[in-house]
Amino acid sequence: AQTVTQSQPEMSVQEAETVTLSCTYDTSESNYYLFWYKQPPSRQMILVIRQEAYKQQNATENRFSVNFQKAAKSFSLKISDSQLGDTAMYFCAFMNSGAGSYQLTFGKGTKLSVIP
Amino acid sequence: EAGVAQSPRYKIIEKRQSVAFWCNPISGHATLYWYQQILGQGPKLLIQFQNNGVVDDSQLPKDRFSAERLKGVDSTLKIQPAKLEDSAVYLCASSSIREETQYFGPGTRLLVL
Repeated sequence: AQTVTQSQPEMSVQEAETVTLSCTYDTSESNYYLFWYKQPPSRQMILVIRQEAYKQQNATENRFSVNFQKAAKSFSLKISDSQLGDTAMYFCAFMNSGAGSYQLTFGKGTKLSVIP
Repeated sequence: EAGVAQSPRYKIIEKRQSVAFWCNPISGHATLYWYQQILGQGPKLLIQFQNNGVVDDSQLPKDRFSAERLKGVDSTLKIQPAKLEDSAVYLCASSSIREETQYFGPGTRLLVL
């Protein structure tokens, strides 16, 4: 079974600064997807960014980028120019693309607070 | 396009009562998921449907939880009888067959007293 570990329960960052959230995972699969989801206090889970394991290039989405290290099974999220609206729980998630069930396995989350 | 809809948003019941949650996925999405998110944890998959068939229900406590998606569109998740440990947020998500990304609804917060 796959496991996802987020070792930082809480983090804070000053507005306009950069912050990196860590995520490691354990799997024996070679084909999979990794995701970062954001869950603001309103509870709507929103996709931030996704990465296909077969792609060596790190995914980027505006101020959000990832550092995907396949050999180390590491998938960190970097948020540049942090904004107050980035305050939320951030979940790292794994999906095995080879199986019939596309279930997401989530980490326990990192609570990010952006300080004005 | 409209997102995933869920109702009710909040529900408070006493233990041993029954409760039902409803989910309407994004139009055209064949795959529908129900997740349980206990406070302080990440969501955990309960059941996955593709159209009106069950793909994975290995983590669904079948002695008290049931779910259906009769016409391959909206879905209902039921708990009967509820236990204190069922207090959680129940999230519904959907995805298209050609895309791996799941889109989540706002969730239903259940409190069992």
